[in-house]
Amino acid sequence: DGGITQSPKYLFRKEGQNVTLSCEQNLNHDAMYWYRQDPGQGLRLIYYSQIVNDFQKGDIAEGYSVSREKKESFPLTVTSAQKNPTAFYLCASSYSGTGTYEQYFGPGTRLTVT
Amino acid sequence: KQEVTQIPAALSVPEGENLVLNCSFTDSAIYNLQWFRQDPGKGLTSLLLIQSSQREQTSGRLNASLDKSSGRSTLYIAASQPGDSATYLCAVSRDYGGSQGNLIFGKGTKLSVKP
Repeated sequence: DGGITQSPKYLFRKEGQNVTLSCEQNLNHDAMYWYRQDPGQGLRLIYYSQIVNDFQKGDIAEGYSVSREKKESFPLTVTSAQKNPTAFYLCASSYSGTGTYEQYFGPGTRLTVT
Repeated sequence: KQEVTQIPAALSVPEGENLVLNCSFTDSAIYNLQWFRQDPGKGLTSLLLIQSSQREQTSGRLNASLDKSSGRSTLYIAASQPGDSATYLCAVSRDYGGSQGNLIFGKGTKLSVKP
């Protein structure tokens, strides 16, 4: 089955620790995205990557880092510098270049930092 | 700065009713508009995508329209069913170089369809 997988589904960390969220896709999409969702809020873009070895900051990149070493994978690290890391994190992918850029989402990772 | 607003924030209807969800955006320079469905604690499911040059898209009981000049989109759901209960999110993408995939989301409309 083609799709996007995110692991783990739930993640618990102590304040001050870095944590890495996994995102893998087998849709052969060029572009991948990370969003954050808080209760009662719309999704907000953290980072995006349109091609391997290149990525750009989104609207709320502070306290986060990413890498894109493979087309299929776009891990997100939540660093200790992120002031309010507890949230629901969603990864998405799409074709890039010309086209519709229709985005497909993974099931999400709920991160709780105490 | 693009802002996306969805009205109402919550809606409760009896089964079988036709309903309309509204989405408005402040900057008409969009590349496309997507409607998504989100079940509690889950990821997003893409329902419909409308390119900026299109006026509407249909999928089954769903019909989405786009009026780019007035900054509005509607999602029409015909003959609603309890299984349609979910939060519906509207998102627009920016229309400038390299950012066509970057979506700006509304806060969603939480729909409850009562049997």
